[in-house]
Amino acid sequence: GESVGLHLPTLSVQEGDNSIINCAYSNSASDYFIWYKQESGKGPQFIIDIRSNMDKRQGQRVTVLLNKTVKHLSLQIAATQPGDSAVYFCAERDGGSQGNLIFGKGTKLSVKP
Amino acid sequence: GAVVSQHPSRVICKSGTSVKIECRSLDFQATTMFWYRQFPKKSLMLMATSNEGSKATYEQGVEKDKFLINHASLTLSTLTVTSAHPEDSSFYICSARSPGTQYFGPGTRLLVL
Repeated sequence: GESVGLHLPTLSVQEGDNSIINCAYSNSASDYFIWYKQESGKGPQFIIDIRSNMDKRQGQRVTVLLNKTVKHLSLQIAATQPGDSAVYFCAERDGGSQGNLIFGKGTKLSVKP
Repeated sequence: GAVVSQHPSRVICKSGTSVKIECRSLDFQATTMFWYRQFPKKSLMLMATSNEGSKATYEQGVEKDKFLINHASLTLSTLTVTSAHPEDSSFYICSARSPGTQYFGPGTRLLVL
């Protein structure tokens, strides 16, 4: 089975609220993690990444948190907008810089106006 | 971020014909590219890893004679679905590895009638 999974398959939030999407991984040797956003009919779009030597990284309106103790990854989206509606995938990389990405099942985020 | 393009974006073909999909990294060189397949509401499934100048590495269960991959240059990889059948209908997405991370193309929707 997949080593990366998500706690919530769907998430519905009100516009303007903060969103938190969670991800659990099982490979403690994974050294790199990425969050992707995929809109309907399009390819995954890179959002933010984090290396295993960090526990937090911030981007524009997004923050990724990494808890290696419990092997948990989360994506926080501040002031969620309708344009944020999409499926969000976490991915972990095993095998160092030449390793492949392993994708989670995805969480669908729906933003209510 | 880096740009990866795919062509065509959509293709409809008759059963038994072959279809070629191109993947290009537009602003960086990629020695490694990846081909994924995605079914509706599912996560990405890695089909094969394409290495410039060498044979592709296929994931278990993926027929290499069915899905021909050629990585002729540092910016171009092609996937040819040979003798396509309706069960090959899917969303095919390529990805290119750039230093430190991985970027995805917009995907190609294949419909085999």
